[in-house]
Amino acid sequence: ETGVTQTPRHLVMGMTNKKSLKCEQHLGHNAMYWYKQSAKKPLELMFVYSLEERVENNSVPSRFSPECPNSSHLFLHLHTLQPEDSALYLCASSQDLRTGNTEAFFGQGTRLTVV
Amino acid sequence: GENVEQHPSTLSVQEGDSAVIKCTYSDSASNYFPWYKQELGKRPQLIIDIRSNVGEKKDQRIAVTLNKTAKHSSLHITETQPEDSAVYFCAASKGKLIFGTGTRLQVFP
Repeated sequence: ETGVTQTPRHLVMGMTNKKSLKCEQHLGHNAMYWYKQSAKKPLELMFVYSLEERVENNSVPSRFSPECPNSSHLFLHLHTLQPEDSALYLCASSQDLRTGNTEAFFGQGTRLTVV
Repeated sequence: GENVEQHPSTLSVQEGDSAVIKCTYSDSASNYFPWYKQELGKRPQLIIDIRSNVGEKKDQRIAVTLNKTAKHSSLHITETQPEDSAVYFCAASKGKLIFGTGTRLQVFP
């Protein structure tokens, strides 16, 4: 257990559904990330939050909408997804973005299947 | 932004042999270079890291080297064992972590 928990572990959704992925960290970290892991791009950075402020949006389609209500929680809201969005979505946290040299701890991931 | 390339994409070795994975990055301002191991069905986990003021770091059978001038890092695993079989990712950071494309290592008994 790394202190980063993601729910749900598995999610199947239709293209017209709306769902949310949740990530929670109990490490006292200030930075949180969403990564997408697929066969084509093994660890693709989607969003970065530092102290609840979004500092990176890596050209992610608007059908993915992140939310960081506090430094311990991160959400990824999903709507009108495409089958190619099926992937493993990994949340991670690290102590601080400013120094840039601290370990990132990953959650177990949510395996998303869009049908 | 930072771009990280990793080679080879797959690597097969006999148990007991050494394995070397190479990584190049583009942003000379990056100052932290971790390596992660991801076993099948599990999350990526840090195995070793190096900072830009250090050239080499060792931890038992694992070593990482950094050439800041060439913007190049290498992971060396000696005396490989079947449990070393996994996907290995390098990363570069000056804040956020950008990962390489991964190397699938298979160690055959």
